Amino acid sequence: QITLKESGPTLVKPTQTLTLTCSFSGFSLSTGGVGVGWIRQPPGKALEWLALIYWDDDQRYCPSLKTRLTITKDTSKNQVVLTMTNMDPVDTATYYCAHRRQWVNAFDIWGQGTMVTVS
Amino acid sequence: QSALTQPASVSGSPGQSVTISCTGTSSDVGRYYYVSWYQQHPGKAPKLIIYDVSKRPSGVSNRFSGSKSGNTASLTISGLQTEDEADYYCSSYTTSSPYVFGAGTKVTVL
Repeated sequence: QITLKESGPTLVKPTQTLTLTCSFSGFSLSTGGVGVGWIRQPPGKALEWLALIYWDDDQRYCPSLKTRLTITKDTSKNQVVLTMTNMDPVDTATYYCAHRRQWVNAFDIWGQGTMVTVS
Repeated sequence: QSALTQPASVSGSPGQSVTISCTGTSSDVGRYYYVSWYQQHPGKAPKLIIYDVSKRPSGVSNRFSGSKSGNTASLTISGLQTEDEADYYCSSYTTSSPYVFGAGTKVTVL
């Protein structure tokens, strides 16, 4: 059974750096074809894909946010970390991490999400 | 990278069918067979219901079906049920990034 859980601060100040951790179980991020992504959703608004890290450490970013994002993985700890610099009130959102199904370009299992307020 | 275009809302009566469109470009929906659909109930995380345009994950009702024509993908919900009332998002692989999401469609069961 695959599970993911996001953790991090609920409140950050403008210009600060946000660091979120995705802790997962039920799969290995060293298995070919697997990935973990981050997606956010401002209150009442649409989903926005942020970043993805693959089993082979290939990292992909949303083009419009690329300069602010870094995604890393610790395979031994079963964790993926997302950092976002220069936070702004418009970055207030629920942040989700999700499992990218093996060799499938879709997120089949999602964490519960964590709400981050920038103020 | 622009979000995919979806209608803001669709509605139908129980038992009816509704179809949600997802319009992209030749750089995303029109180029790749990597369109997925997600269902999101209020306060909950999204749930994958369709991937690779028309495939259903195990456990997803066969009342959900997907298709694609040109730059537009579609999700059809047949035999509409009250529990289908939710927000639905499409997503596609693009030439510039692995994912872009649509703006979302609210499905209302009348």
